[in-house]
Amino acid sequence: AQSVSQHNHHVILSEAASLELGCNYSYGGTVNLFWYVQYPGQHLQLLLKYFSGDPLVKGIKGFEAEFIKSKFSFNLRKPSVQWSDTAEYFCAVKGNNRLAFGKGNQVVVIP
Amino acid sequence: DADVTQTPRNRITKTGKRIMLECSQTKGHDRMYWYRQDPGLGLRLIYYSFDVKDINKGEISDGYSVSRQAQAKFSLSLESAIPNQTALYFCATSDFEQASNQPQHFGDGTRLSIL
Repeated sequence: AQSVSQHNHHVILSEAASLELGCNYSYGGTVNLFWYVQYPGQHLQLLLKYFSGDPLVKGIKGFEAEFIKSKFSFNLRKPSVQWSDTAEYFCAVKGNNRLAFGKGNQVVVIP
Repeated sequence: DADVTQTPRNRITKTGKRIMLECSQTKGHDRMYWYRQDPGLGLRLIYYSFDVKDINKGEISDGYSVSRQAQAKFSLSLESAIPNQTALYFCATSDFEQASNQPQHFGDGTRLSIL
């Protein structure tokens, strides 16, 4: 079964700073990769996904992620965060019809 | 109206009680899932169903059961609730995925507290 690792569970940064959240997975087969965001008190929403093609994926709200197959990674980035990006971010990996989530990154953006 | 609706949104109950959490969807998706979310642990899959009459255990199914009454409905039951089942529970759906690249769509969650 696949597994997902997210590091630095708590991230605090100022507005306009750049954000990068790491995601590493372990699975030997073909995977599809997702980043979800959960704003305070809300359900999970899809930020972006990768399944084939260009390994640099653009998502909503200025987020992007890069799939590096050799490193089993799918890191999320945003060049300049806003206060409204305060949320919890989950990386998820789908393989063999099963979706596995990482433990999440709690991101707090200070105005 | 929400595409994936969970009821109740909040529930407080006592140890030993039987509890049922309901999930219904208007997306017409074949696949439905139940997760629990605990702080620092992310989401863990409890059960999933790829169609009516299809039920599969997830990674933490002990202490839970499910019923897929119709394509649009998937309920989760705690037969005898215990305090460590206190968590935020999410239902999710996804469409039949030939390319396996379809995301899951989540409900708003049920916050369950067991005293």
